[in-house]
Amino acid sequence: DGGITQSPKYLFRKEGQNVTLSCEQNLNHDAMYWYRQDPGQGLRLIYYSQIVNDFQKGDIAEGYSVSREKKESFPLTVTSAQKNPTAFYLCASSQNSNQPQHFGDGTRLSIL
Amino acid sequence: AQSVTQLDSHVSVSEGTPVLLRCNYSSSYSPSLFWYVQHPNKGLQLLLKYTSAATLVKGINGFEAEFKKSETSFHLTKPSAHMSDAAEYFCVVSVPTGTASKLTFGTGTRLQVTL
Repeated sequence: DGGITQSPKYLFRKEGQNVTLSCEQNLNHDAMYWYRQDPGQGLRLIYYSQIVNDFQKGDIAEGYSVSREKKESFPLTVTSAQKNPTAFYLCASSQNSNQPQHFGDGTRLSIL
Repeated sequence: AQSVTQLDSHVSVSEGTPVLLRCNYSSSYSPSLFWYVQHPNKGLQLLLKYTSAATLVKGINGFEAEFKKSETSFHLTKPSAHMSDAAEYFCVVSVPTGTASKLTFGTGTRLQVTL
């Protein structure tokens, strides 16, 4: 069954620690995206990638980093520079610019 | 620049009655418009999409939306609400950027369905 898998579902971070969120897709989509969702708000774009070894900053990239070494994988690292990392993180992918984005089930990150 | 305004943050309906979730948009381009639904602690599921074909768009689970260019609106409707429709709904504008797309989200409408 094709789709997007995000892991883990829940993640806890200590102060000063980097954490990496996993996103894998088997839809053969070229483009992948990371979003942050805060209560009562819509989603905000962190980073996106159009092809392997390419990625661009979104609206709120500060304190985050990504890599795209394989077409099916787009991990997100939340660095210690991100001062307010507690949020729900969603990964998405799309076939091209005219097709809708498909979303994973998200990772909820909390600070210990 | 694009923007999306969802006119109601919370809507409550009785089971079996009609649903109306309102959305207005602003876009510099001829936009693609979507409605997504999100259940608690889940990702977003596509309900329907408008991409400049028919102005009345039918989606999954009995939902439909009408694109009205003159009113810059894309309201979501359903003739009869079901308890399982209770969720958060997002109206989204999409513009192409290279081979990807950039989405602008509304702040969401929480739909409550009562017995």
